[in-house]
Amino acid sequence: QVQLVESGGGLVKPGGSLRLSCTASGFTFNDYYMIWIRQAPGKGLEWVSYIGSSGTPIHYADSVKGRFTISRDNAKNSLYLQMNSLRAEDTAVYYCARGQVSSVWYLGPWGQGTLVTVSS
Amino acid sequence: DIVMTQSPDSLAVSLGERATINCKSSQSVFYSSNNKNYLAWYQQKPGQPPKLLIYWASTRESGVPDRFSGSGSGTDFTLTISSLQAEDVADYYCEQYYGLPYTFGQGTTVEIK
Repeated sequence: QVQLVESGGGLVKPGGSLRLSCTASGFTFNDYYMIWIRQAPGKGLEWVSYIGSSGTPIHYADSVKGRFTISRDNAKNSLYLQMNSLRAEDTAVYYCARGQVSSVWYLGPWGQGTLVTVSS
Repeated sequence: DIVMTQSPDSLAVSLGERATINCKSSQSVFYSSNNKNYLAWYQQKPGQPPKLLIYWASTRESGVPDRFSGSGSGTDFTLTISSLQAEDVADYYCEQYYGLPYTFGQGTTVEIK
């Protein structure tokens, strides 16, 4: 079955860096757009970034532009999010999700998420 | 940015009764060239990731019970649960994928009365 598993979350100090990974299985990874979405504790859902099936196009939310970098390794069925200059407001559960073949559009399935906590 | 506003923020419905959630976008998410509304609905149960319920405003995702239905066009959309079950207790989110940045509504919490 289709499965997405995130890893790499944890506690980091403000200004620090973290790299999240998402490993996919059960579908042809290199056919699909992939997306990172986050959810701050007790809050709603926020788009972070997406990447096309071959590595382009790429889009970032204004809130992370210049600090976060999305990438993928289709040979490893993996999606990444390099997060630099982390701020307290980046504290959230980060989910990876699958888009569609032709574009991002609607999202499903989603991984279980990985918690990133930015605190001194 | 397209702002998505859901109403109500929360609702309590008796088991077997109808639950209705509204979602309004600040601009139309209807694309006339393909006659599609770029609107999805997700369900998030406590402690779980979101799950896709409805896309293109009214197309039910495979495996989603038929008590869930989506309707609307342009700027006004509705998610209806025709007969609420205990397992439907969750947060529900609408999302527009018409224009970047894609945006979600603030969520609606559905509880049992």
